[in-house]
Amino acid sequence: DVKVTQSSRYLVKRTGEKVFLECVQDMDHENMFWYRQDPGLGLRLIYFSYDVKMKEKGDIPEGYSVSREKKERFSLILESASTNQTSMYLCASRTAYTGELFFGEGSRLTVL
Amino acid sequence: DAKTTQPTSMDCAEGRAANLPCNHSTISGNEYVYWYRQIHSQGPQYIIHGLKNNETNEMASLIITEDRKSSTLILPHATLRDTAVYYCIVRVFSGNTPLVFGKGTRLSVIA
Repeated sequence: DVKVTQSSRYLVKRTGEKVFLECVQDMDHENMFWYRQDPGLGLRLIYFSYDVKMKEKGDIPEGYSVSREKKERFSLILESASTNQTSMYLCASRTAYTGELFFGEGSRLTVL
Repeated sequence: DAKTTQPTSMDCAEGRAANLPCNHSTISGNEYVYWYRQIHSQGPQYIIHGLKNNETNEMASLIITEDRKSSTLILPHATLRDTAVYYCIVRVFSGNTPLVFGKGTRLSVIA
């Protein structure tokens, strides 16, 4: 079975801290994605990567950066966390040839 | 990718068929219809996809109208565990463009 693993299920950070959210997939997928999900707003795309060292901005990239040094790992970075970044963060991956996305369990981040 | 329209919420009695509609009137000839669902506090899960023929798998059936402007996801015997938000998405089959999720339909299965 495809597995997408997110490093932390729950995190609590303070305003101004640097936050790393890690995502690893084990199916050699080319494409990886970071979404955030907030009540009433649905899933919104932050960044995606269609191959190693490649990245593209999604709909809401402000305040975030990403890193994809290896094919299996896609990291989301909050350089200076703010309270409005309190959210559920979801990582997903897929091959470039189908639309089927595989999601991780999510990381719920609280910024105090 | 074409835009989709879904009802905000629906109820279904346990054991009955749940029929979830989706309108995609601007769908292009090379765009597929995908369905995902998200159970509370979990990541979304792929259910099924189709181009123009009806499709069935172990989870659900997908009925696409002949003009492809709308579709219906059918859960034949809904259980309480099917309570979730269901997303209908339209996109081309392959390529690097991401899936764009709308608000979906919140299905509540009632005992």
